[in-house]
Amino acid sequence: AQSVTQLDSQVPVFEEAPVELRCNYSSSVSVCLFWCVQCPNQGLQLLLKYLSGSTLVESINGFEAEFNKSQTSFHLRKPSVHISDTAEYFCAVSEGYGGSQGNLIFGKGTKLSVKP
Amino acid sequence: SAVISQKPSRDICQRGTSLTIQCQVDSQVTMMFWYRQQPGQSLTLIATANQGSEATYESGFVIDKFPISRPNLTFSTLTVSNMSPEDSSIYLCSVARNYYNEQFFGPGTRLTVL
Repeated sequence: AQSVTQLDSQVPVFEEAPVELRCNYSSSVSVCLFWCVQCPNQGLQLLLKYLSGSTLVESINGFEAEFNKSQTSFHLRKPSVHISDTAEYFCAVSEGYGGSQGNLIFGKGTKLSVKP
Repeated sequence: SAVISQKPSRDICQRGTSLTIQCQVDSQVTMMFWYRQQPGQSLTLIATANQGSEATYESGFVIDKFPISRPNLTFSTLTVSNMSPEDSSIYLCSVARNYYNEQFFGPGTRLTVL
């Protein structure tokens, strides 16, 4: 069975510092990987995803994640965070060829807190 | 893209009553899902809403407690039946487009059961 592990439940950082949110998955078949963000008292939004092709994927607000098949990881990084990046970040996996299963298995989430 | 709306956005309900949550998508989608996010927890898949047939429930969720309808490719409802305080959660509708696995999420319904 597939599963997602987010190693850090909380990550406090100072503004303009780099950050890495870790995510590892387990699956016996090909997967699609996602990072979603949930801002305080707001809905869930897709941040970025890996379906196939280039292992490095980027979002429009400076986040990037790299799919590492050998390490079964999909860590999220940003070189310089902003106060507005404070949110809870969920890593998720969708199993099956081309992600055709559709439903997502979520990790427990990592709360990123950016301090001035 | 796909824009998803949910009604109601939030509700406070009494123990023993039922609440039906609606999910409307602005375009036809193959797959629709219902998730639950309990306070301080991650999201857990309740079921896949299948158009024209019974929903597919995940382990730990049953149709009597969470009946789901999906009459067409743009609409689904989730009912939380005979509610208890343990049902207090955010209920989230999600859709996916096949092959490219584009994922879209509704704004969620925040349910509090007293």
